[in-house]
Amino acid sequence: SQQGEEDPQALSIQEGENATMNCSYKTSINNLQWYRQNSGRGLVHLILIRSNEREKHSGRLRVTLDTSKKSSSLLITASRAADTASYFCATSSGGSNYKLTFGKGTLLTVNP
Amino acid sequence: GAGVSQSPRYKVAKRGQDVALRCDPISGHVSLFWYQQALGQGPEFLTYFQNEAQLDKSGLPSDRFFAERPEGSVSTLKIQRTQQEDSAVYLCASSLVGGGASDTQYFGPGTRLTVL
Repeated sequence: SQQGEEDPQALSIQEGENATMNCSYKTSINNLQWYRQNSGRGLVHLILIRSNEREKHSGRLRVTLDTSKKSSSLLITASRAADTASYFCATSSGGSNYKLTFGKGTLLTVNP
Repeated sequence: GAGVSQSPRYKVAKRGQDVALRCDPISGHVSLFWYQQALGQGPEFLTYFQNEAQLDKSGLPSDRFFAERPEGSVSTLKIQRTQQEDSAVYLCASSLVGGGASDTQYFGPGTRLTVL
């Protein structure tokens, strides 16, 4: 079963623009992570935000978490063609905090 | 350094055949995970090992699926009597310590299984 739901399902932008993807989930979480997947490099961990954090930055990535709304957003600034990939949010919750529950992903296409 | 490796990268099986998928985790990583990813979906958890102990196999779809990690390093996921619905990418991941909430999981490239 999938806990997270990314929105939109697909997003197409021009190089240099910002991309925002959203993730909603259903149950209380320990943390939320964002992963990127493309055919060249498989599934790559991007950033982790804990349930008691509200915002986190890593390079061109900015993640926010709103536990009251059970939602998170991933912002990629100044996008590049190499950012073209599927982006997944993954949550861990309860006692099984090792078990990641992924959403269906957002397919981001960055056009040169 | 070397990441998680999986073999084979692609496997085609006829319905009813048994298959074995191998995962080599990052050296020294205590925790190992298997996930199944159907086309157009996110990965779904199958099973979790801490060293050689299989601590959670709640995600295995049926008793045709079996995983082992006998020496606490390499792991094998075996699927017996494959069915068409087993067609998916099987992802292996490892993490340094005990699979805690803040422990990053590093994924391998996956094995794409196609059952005809």
